[in-house]
Amino acid sequence: EVQLVDSGGGLVQPGGSLRLSCVASGFIFSSYPMSWVRQAPGKGLEWVSIVSGSGETTYYADSVKGRFTISRDNTKNMLYMQMNSLRVEDTAVYFCAKGGQMATVMAPFDYWGQGTLVTVHS
Amino acid sequence: DFVMTQSPDSLAVSLGERATINCKSSQSVLYNFNNKNYLAWYQQKPGQPPRLLIYWASTRASGVPDRFRGSGSGTDFTLTINSLQAEDVAVYYCQRYYHSPPLTFGGGTKVEI
Repeated sequence: EVQLVDSGGGLVQPGGSLRLSCVASGFIFSSYPMSWVRQAPGKGLEWVSIVSGSGETTYYADSVKGRFTISRDNTKNMLYMQMNSLRVEDTAVYFCAKGGQMATVMAPFDYWGQGTLVTVHS
Repeated sequence: DFVMTQSPDSLAVSLGERATINCKSSQSVLYNFNNKNYLAWYQQKPGQPPRLLIYWASTRASGVPDRFRGSGSGTDFTLTINSLQAEDVAVYYCQRYYHSPPLTFGGGTKVEI
């Protein structure tokens, strides 16, 4: 059974940093791209970033480029998001999500974590 | 930038009736090489993560009831929920996953009874 458990959210001041984690199980982690998707309170879904199975290729939404860094540790089945220079508008629930197809980022997300809340507030 | 526009923002449907949700992409998501539309639909219930319903515009994901039907090609797509059930109350999102990121979502459509 595929499981994604995300964690690391919390309250942080504007300009601060936070590191999100997502532990995966039930599939060959290194074979699939992984993403972060966020949802501001009462709002829709916003794709944030994706990393290839190997970890060599990454993409970011313009809204976080230069501030957030996605990475993965395939030896530990872990996905990370290092978030720096946080802004009030980064406040959201952050979901990790599994790419639905091996070896390509051109795939929908077939499994999602439960989400972890990041609140940026002074 | 790629924009996915959903309509309506919300709709109320009686139990057993049909719900129709539209999604329009600012650019085609049809890949001529394999003739596939890189378009997915998700369902999100309150307090839950999204659930993949439809991919390749019309293929139901595992375990999705056949009352959910995706259609369309190129830039215009539709999610139809036939014979709406109480458990279908949710927000529905379309998403493009064509060519390369950003993997843009539509703004969402709230379906109520």
